[in-house]
Amino acid sequence: DTAVSQTPKYLVTQMGNDKSIKCEQNLGHDTMYWYKQDSKKFLKIMFSYNNKELIINETVPNRFSPKSPDKAHLNLHINSLELGDSAVYFCASSQVPDSSYEQYFGPGTRLTVT
Amino acid sequence: AQSVAQPEDQVNVAEGNPLTVKCTYSVSGNPYLFWYVQYPNRGLQFLLKYITGDNLVKGSYGFEAEFNKSQTSFHLKKPSALVSDSALYFCAVRDWGGNKLVFGAGTILRVKS
Repeated sequence: DTAVSQTPKYLVTQMGNDKSIKCEQNLGHDTMYWYKQDSKKFLKIMFSYNNKELIINETVPNRFSPKSPDKAHLNLHINSLELGDSAVYFCASSQVPDSSYEQYFGPGTRLTVT
Repeated sequence: AQSVAQPEDQVNVAEGNPLTVKCTYSVSGNPYLFWYVQYPNRGLQFLLKYITGDNLVKGSYGFEAEFNKSQTSFHLKKPSALVSDSALYFCAVRDWGGNKLVFGAGTILRVKS
């Protein structure tokens, strides 16, 4: 059973389009995250939800909007896609947001904007 | 704000030799430290963590890491490298009480047979 899953795995789209990435975890965790990994492999937190409540909202363009319909799902919607949005987006989850708990990552969604 | 430095972009080691991947950190309070590994086209996998207690932490796949508070370091080690250990390794830190995990830039480990 996949612990943290993301769909789609690959996403190729044109500038200006709107797209969504979905994430689901079956670990029973309360906290979920979105990360962006750029072409140099640098990994940065974007958002975090704890039990459907937004707890981390980094400096991200407001074209990016996360939504958590329940604590097992965290989706990422991106409006008006730009070339610079091309990256790999990782979803992750942890038992609680407490500092000591490790995070479990999904396989990533490679977004290419042309 | 917390930060992590991985001073080596790449580490090369021969199979069977010991390996070390370096990490230093900066936090305002007590640190929670983590190592993750990323294989090509895969997500990150948790290897080990330091929370408190013994400075030598053992993790998955024979890896271990040593927490050194005076040198603010948390180097990843393995006594005998395998070709299958070749991957991208990330060190990460969280402030005690914080909920944001900050990652280093990553170190590519290449193990040659």
